[in-house]
Amino acid sequence: SQQGEEDPQALSIQEGENATMNCSYKTSINNLQWYRQNSGRGLVHLILIRSNEREKHSGRLRVTLDTSKKSSSLLITASRAADTASYFCATGMNSGYSTLTFGKGTMLLVSP
Amino acid sequence: DTGVSQDPRHKITKRGQNVTFRCDPISEHNRLYWYRQTLGQGPEFLTYFQNEAQLEKSRLLSDRFSAERPKGSFSTLEIQRTEQGDSAMYLCASSGLVSSYNSPLHFGNGTRLTVT
Repeated sequence: SQQGEEDPQALSIQEGENATMNCSYKTSINNLQWYRQNSGRGLVHLILIRSNEREKHSGRLRVTLDTSKKSSSLLITASRAADTASYFCATGMNSGYSTLTFGKGTMLLVSP
Repeated sequence: DTGVSQDPRHKITKRGQNVTFRCDPISEHNRLYWYRQTLGQGPEFLTYFQNEAQLEKSRLLSDRFSAERPKGSFSTLEIQRTEQGDSAMYLCASSGLVSSYNSPLHFGNGTRLTVT
């Protein structure tokens, strides 16, 4: 079963525009992570935000976390064609071992 | 390249055959995970090792699936009596013991299984 759900399922923008993806989840979490996956490849870790953090930045990426609404957003600023990929949120629970539960992903297409 | 490597990259097999996949994690990582991903879906957790101990298995993992990590280094995932529903990308990931929970995962490029 999948805990997170990304929105939108697909997003198409022009180079230079910003892209925002949202993730909602159901149970309390220890942390939330975002990953990128290029077609036919493995996932690449982008950023991790802990449950006691509200916002985090990494280069052109900005992630927010609202634990009261059980949601997170990933903002990619000044997008490039190379950002074309699927983006997944993954949640880590407060108990148990360190397995992550992934959402279904947002497919981002950035056109030149 | 010292990333996670998986072998083979592609496997085509006939229904009923057994298949085995191998994963070599990043050498200093003690945690190893197997995930399965079907088209249009996110990765689905299968099983997890810390060193050689298999600590968690998904309830979705049927008895036909078995995984090993005999010396706490590489791991194998075997599927017996394959079914067409087993067709998927099988992803291996590893992580180090950075904190108590949820270190970032480093993924391999996966093994794509097609069962005909």
